[in-house]
Amino acid sequence: EVHLVESGGGLVQPGRSLRLSCAASGFTFDDYAMHWVRRAPGKGLEWVSGISWNSGNIDYADSVKGRFTISRDNAKNSLYLQMNSLRTEDTAFYYCAKRGDTILRGVAPFDSWGQGTLVTVSS
Amino acid sequence: SYVLTQPPSVSVAPGKTARITCGGNNIGSKSVHWYQQKPGQAPVLVIYFDSDRPSGIPERFSGSNSGNTATLTISRVEAGDEADYFCQVWDSSSGHSGVFGGGTKLTVL
Repeated sequence: EVHLVESGGGLVQPGRSLRLSCAASGFTFDDYAMHWVRRAPGKGLEWVSGISWNSGNIDYADSVKGRFTISRDNAKNSLYLQMNSLRTEDTAFYYCAKRGDTILRGVAPFDSWGQGTLVTVSS
Repeated sequence: SYVLTQPPSVSVAPGKTARITCGGNNIGSKSVHWYQQKPGQAPVLVIYFDSDRPSGIPERFSGSNSGNTATLTISRVEAGDEADYFCQVWDSSSGHSGVFGGGTKLTVL
């Protein structure tokens, strides 16, 4: 059974940094692209960033480009999101999600999600 | 960037049929996925590749996609179906980005 567990969320002041982690188990981690998706209070789901199995292809939403960095460590079955220059509008639950295919830039859905970690950006 | 448009809310009586639309330019040429999210829970995939249903999802959930509109249909709606529903596609016009619709709150009357 696929298991994704996020950690690293918390309360942080605007302009500061935070690093999120996602521990994966139950599947061959280095076969799959991994993504971060967030949901702000009162808002909908927003795709944040994605990384291919070998880190060779990385994409970001315009709202976080230049401030967030996605990475992975296949030896540790872990996904990361380094968030710098945080803004109040970055306040959200952040979910780690597995895309359901092994094709580079495939169009499969997110077939597994973690329970999320809450990031609150406030002074 | 690609935009998906959903109605903010849909209301339906128990036992009736709910239809939630997702509009996008020529969305019929894309693969559409649907997620259900209940308060305090992670999203759950309910329909993928327009009309396929993951194991464990009731047959009451179905999907279609043509032209500029994709539709999630929930037949014989139950109280437990009350949730937020999101459509999603992949946009390769600039890199490879996930795109979600704004979400639809399904209320069971």
